[in-house]
Amino acid sequence: GQNIDQPTEMTATEGAIVQINCTYQTSGFNGLFWYQQHAGEAPTFLSYNVLDGLEEKGRFSSFLSRSKGYSYLLLKELQMKDSASYLCAVGRGSYIPTFGRGTSLIVHP
Amino acid sequence: EAQVTQNPRYLITVTGKKLTVTCSQNMNHEYMSWYRQDPGLGLRQIYYSMNVEVTDKGDVPEGYKVSRKEKRNFPLILESPSPNQTSLYFCASSHQGAGGANVLTFGAGSRLTVL
Repeated sequence: GQNIDQPTEMTATEGAIVQINCTYQTSGFNGLFWYQQHAGEAPTFLSYNVLDGLEEKGRFSSFLSRSKGYSYLLLKELQMKDSASYLCAVGRGSYIPTFGRGTSLIVHP
Repeated sequence: EAQVTQNPRYLITVTGKKLTVTCSQNMNHEYMSWYRQDPGLGLRQIYYSMNVEVTDKGDVPEGYKVSRKEKRNFPLILESPSPNQTSLYFCASSHQGAGGANVLTFGAGSRLTVL
């Protein structure tokens, strides 16, 4: 089985940096995904990590430590439009992903 | 445009009245899946399919059926809906293969209310 934990809610100020953590326990690990989901909309892909280290993509970066079962999503220069839920998902076995419960990020002025 | 299309987007029905939520993708993806999303519980997988005529249960399959007779379509069937199946449903698809990120493309969602 597997267990994926991430904080339920976070708040941050526009222009700031926020780090959303995700810890997981799983068998047959095949990569970790982050998705963004705005209220009432479908999730959209942000990043994928399969090797340890940091992947940077513009204002968003994602980090993975396989030995620690840990990942984080780093959002820089926060904008109001970044207010959304951020979903950590672990790929397992035949690349079937399992999602955590998501972190609701509220960005305020 | 590459997309996953679900219908209906919104539905209010009554207990016991069979319904089908359709899902179609135009990307020739092998893998398709259904999720339900409930407040505080996140996305939970109902059923998934690795390819035509291959389906398997996810984490919460009770009360649902699926079929995969064609590669592009993956309908979700509620034979006898109950109020606890009131939820937001998402269909998703991806390529299926080793050696890379199999990124899911989601449909827009179907909000179902069972009275």
